[in-house]
Amino acid sequence: KQEVTQIPAALSVPEGENLVLNCSFTDSAIYNLQWFRQDPGKGLTSLLLIQSSQREQTSGRLNASLDKSSGRSTLYIAASQPGDSATYLCAVRPTDSWGKLQFGAGTQVVVTP
Amino acid sequence: NAGVTQTPKFQVLKTGQSMTLQCAQDMNHEYMSWYRQDPGMGLRLIHYSVGAGITDQGEVPNGYNVSRSTTEDFPLRLLSAAPSQTSVYFCASSYASGSTDTQYFGPGTRLTVL
Repeated sequence: KQEVTQIPAALSVPEGENLVLNCSFTDSAIYNLQWFRQDPGKGLTSLLLIQSSQREQTSGRLNASLDKSSGRSTLYIAASQPGDSATYLCAVRPTDSWGKLQFGAGTQVVVTP
Repeated sequence: NAGVTQTPKFQVLKTGQSMTLQCAQDMNHEYMSWYRQDPGMGLRLIHYSVGAGITDQGEVPNGYNVSRSTTEDFPLRLLSAAPSQTSVYFCASSYASGSTDTQYFGPGTRLTVL
């Protein structure tokens, strides 16, 4: 059974520092991996989606890498801002099913001014 | 374009009561799903649908029913609420084919069962 782990569960950094968030998964038979942002009391917003054939995806200050063989993905957020404070979740989609995502528990990020 | 909408935002039930959580999307997505989110855990899939008239179970389906009579709507029914169903419920939708299945989530329904 696929297990998705995000460590650490919580992270606090001063404004301006780069953020590095980790996601690991046990079964490399994935179709893609998504990173989501969740603000308190809100739904999830998709940040980046990496197909299994890709090594990385970039959007503005965000960069996500994927190493399928080792079961790892990393989300980098450059020059963090207080507005980046949120919970970040990663989710993998198995190759044998459309849309059935397996989520990690998330990393709660606080960026202090 | 409202995206994915969910009603109600909050609900308190007593054990044994029934209710329906509503979910609607206006993006013509074939795929819709329901997840629950509990503290310290990731989202877990309850039920999903790949099109009108087609539904299937996810990881934690017990105690929940779904139906999909239209492309737009995917309601989740709790037949006899239990305290273990206290959670935040999210509905999501996406295309069911093509090169990407980016999922769009609703704002959630926070349910408390006493």
